[in-house]
Parts: sequence; C-alpha cells; structure tokens
Amino acid sequence: AQRVTQPEKLLSVFKGAPVELKCNYSYSGSPELFWYVQYSRQRLQLLLRHISRESIKGFTADLNKGETSFHLKKPFAQEEDSAMYYCALSVLYGNKLVFGAGTILRVKS
Amino acid sequence: NAGVMQNPRHLVRRRGQEARLRCSPMKGHSHVYWYRQLPEEGLKFMVYLQKENIIDESGMPKERFSAEFPKEGPSILRIQQVVRGDSAAYFCASSLRDGYEQYFGPGTRLTVT
Repeated sequence: AQRVTQPEKLLSVFKGAPVELKCNYSYSGSPELFWYVQYSRQRLQLLLRHISRESIKGFTADLNKGETSFHLKKPFAQEEDSAMYYCALSVLYGNKLVFGAGTILRVKS
Repeated sequence: NAGVMQNPRHLVRRRGQEARLRCSPMKGHSHVYWYRQLPEEGLKFMVYLQKENIIDESGMPKERFSAEFPKEGPSILRIQQVVRGDSAAYFCASSLRDGYEQYFGPGTRLTVT
C-alpha cells in the first residue's frame, strides 16, 4: 500500500536557522514525489516536485530511494515561510495523490 | 483565470440530510479530483473524473457518496443521509491533462450537526 509519513506535526525554528521537514514514503512502484504548501488563508499550492529538481523560494528536496525519503530543506528560514507543508506521492500516472498528514512550520523572529 | 472554484465554502447539514458540493475547474481543464481531509489528517483521495466519466473511484465510500462531472456545468460531490463522521473539508483539484499538475480549490468545510 502507498503511504506518506511526516513525523512532525509542528516544527518551530528561528529566522535564519536551517529548516528540514521530513517525509518518508512507502510505494512499490517508481515514485513521483511533491511538496505542497498552504499559507494562511490561501489554497494548497505546489511548491516543488522531485523530477524538476528545482529550488523554489530557496527550498530543495532530494529523493533518496534507499531511505525512501524526500525531505524538504532550506538553509535559512524566513518568517514568510511559516505555513502548512504537505508531502505527497503520485500514483497511477499522477492521477491520484497520497498525502502525508502535514507539518506546520513556524518561523519565529 | 480565477482558478478552481468551490461552493459553498461552508455547509452545515443535520444528520440525514443531503450535501451537494460543487467544483468548477480551471478554464480548459477537463480532469477533476476530489479529496477529503478529516481533522488532524492529510488529504485523502476520493475520486477522479473526466467529463462525463468516472475514471477512478477507489477512494469513495461504498454507500451514500457519489460524484459526477457532466458535459456542461461543475463537478458535483453528493453525500446522501449525512452522518457526523462526514464532517470534514472537501477539496477539489483540476488538471489540464492526465498526470499534469493538480490545482486545488479553497475547499468546502462540511459540518454535520
């Protein structure tokens, strides 16, 4: 069965500190992974996907198939990064997303 | 482009009533997905539809829930005889094509009293 695990409900860091949001997945096929973000009072939006290998708003995520992980990282957190972050796994050629429970990131000044 | 629209944003129903949730996809998108989010949980896939067709309903409860996406008009998620356990946020997403990025609506928060 497909599953995405985000072990932290809440991650609180100071502005300028490094951030790592953890995500582990379970999937027997070839995984496609995403990070979605939901800022306060806004809708869920795609932050990045592993196949694009981009850095968006300073965030990066590397797929580690050996550890079945897709952790989201940023070297220096900004206050505007405070949001809910969801890791998601795509199955059935992208037509079904399996989401983790989400991690609230709070960046304190 | 206004993005994916959902209405109503908030819906209150008494136990046993019917709930109808509407989703208008982004302009040009013909693929629609419904997800449900229970408190403290992530979004869970319910159903994937294309115009006039249900492609995958593996996440839909077997009873009381149905979905449609007619040739004209929005996609509808219908819940008959609602129970307290149906209280959740229901999100709709749309995509341009099979496997393309899904764009999410703001969600409908259903409360069953």
